[in-house]
Amino acid sequence: NAGVTQTPKFRVLKTGQSMTLLCAQDMNHEYMYWYRQDPGMGLRLIHYSVGEGTTAKGEVPDGYNVSRLKKQNFLLGLESAAPSQTSVYFCATSKLAGGRGTGELFFGEGSRLTVL
Amino acid sequence: DAKTTQPPSMDCAEGRAANLPCNHSTISGNEYVYWYRQIHSQGPQYIIHGLKNNETNEMASLIITEDRKSSTLILPHATLRDTAVYYCIVRAVRAGNNRKLIWGLGTSLAVNP
Repeated sequence: NAGVTQTPKFRVLKTGQSMTLLCAQDMNHEYMYWYRQDPGMGLRLIHYSVGEGTTAKGEVPDGYNVSRLKKQNFLLGLESAAPSQTSVYFCATSKLAGGRGTGELFFGEGSRLTVL
Repeated sequence: DAKTTQPPSMDCAEGRAANLPCNHSTISGNEYVYWYRQIHSQGPQYIIHGLKNNETNEMASLIITEDRKSSTLILPHATLRDTAVYYCIVRAVRAGNNRKLIWGLGTSLAVNP
């Protein structure tokens, strides 16, 4: 039971290159999220998904695209990488929130991206 | 969702209790208090949550004041492995409301030998 797995864990890109981060979960959770974490700032939500085939914008979606073709996978794409996208990216999942305040987030180990 | 205020850093001696405060004075009646921690550069890890009653699990205890405007996370016997950044977050109990979470900078707890 791996939980939430992110690949790759490290990547260096040149400005203008494209890449895709993969998040895979084996917990059968409905919700999936992509966050970025930068020094001096809290986690910021990029995009999220409430189920297979659906995605929505978060707080900082510009420059990113996402897809959720299968329930267990959530992909984050950078079409034309910029130095401002240098960051640590975290994927998270959660199940439907219930009446007792469940719905806590389960995070992957992070993907460190550097754009030169 | 309401914002929270936490001290930027705290120290604790190994084996002693670590008491991490959080202020959430604008919390509304349907919002829970959640605590997460982030060890070094790993992904955040859920610790505990509560509404108005005190809660305890194998990791920590959560004490919420009667007016719910503040809470304290207690690590009863801190170890070096508890050195981490601790985040206090409030969220409403509705499906999908993780998308509205406001993650501050948390409290950086250093457990010293």
